[in-house]
Amino acid sequence: DTAVSQTPKYLVTQMGNDKSIKCEQNLGHDTMYWYKQDSKKFLKIMFSYNNKELIINETVPNRFSPKSPDKAHLNLHINSLELGDSAVYFCASSSLETQYFGPGTRLLVL
Amino acid sequence: SQQGEEDPQALSIQEGENATMNCSYKTSINNLQWYRQNSGRGLVHLILIRSNEREKHSGRLRVTLDTSKKSSSLLITASRAADTASYFCATDNPPGNTPLVFGKGTRLSVIA
Repeated sequence: DTAVSQTPKYLVTQMGNDKSIKCEQNLGHDTMYWYKQDSKKFLKIMFSYNNKELIINETVPNRFSPKSPDKAHLNLHINSLELGDSAVYFCASSSLETQYFGPGTRLLVL
Repeated sequence: SQQGEEDPQALSIQEGENATMNCSYKTSINNLQWYRQNSGRGLVHLILIRSNEREKHSGRLRVTLDTSKKSSSLLITASRAADTASYFCATDNPPGNTPLVFGKGTRLSVIA
């Protein structure tokens, strides 16, 4: 009965690889987000999707591509991973102002 | 761009004491929210205060908002060891924009 779930929880990979992180919400929310939290705990918005439409794309490298197969899912695909991509990635969803966060995916690029 | 700045960056108190954290922001807002993040977990919404409100309570939490100073404070009364976490303020920037802009957080340690 988890509201916002992400998989995998941990992801360790080599530089140059391509990886995906999946997110699902069962709250019936229209809007979903991807945030990146760096080692200093600074949390920054990456993407926002409303009813499967990308409405905000912050200045992230185009190696990152969000994909929303339906309203309940927002996946994040990362191509050609770099060392600087190491961080914790959080998915979130909202219907109004309050956001509900997933548990995070800890990505380590070696 | 970063909007909120929490102060202090870290706070250590004894169980039973009150903890006060402050947040300053730069531009106009519709609302300001506080979130808690336990170690290794996602953020959990605590409380939302709108720009036309000055104070709000929820259990042991008290939030104030001063739009003239562009600042907010979160007070946790009678702290418990379970309150140990990082606390973030977040604003809608620009107003009405749903992706939140977070500060860097205050790391609170409550010692039993």
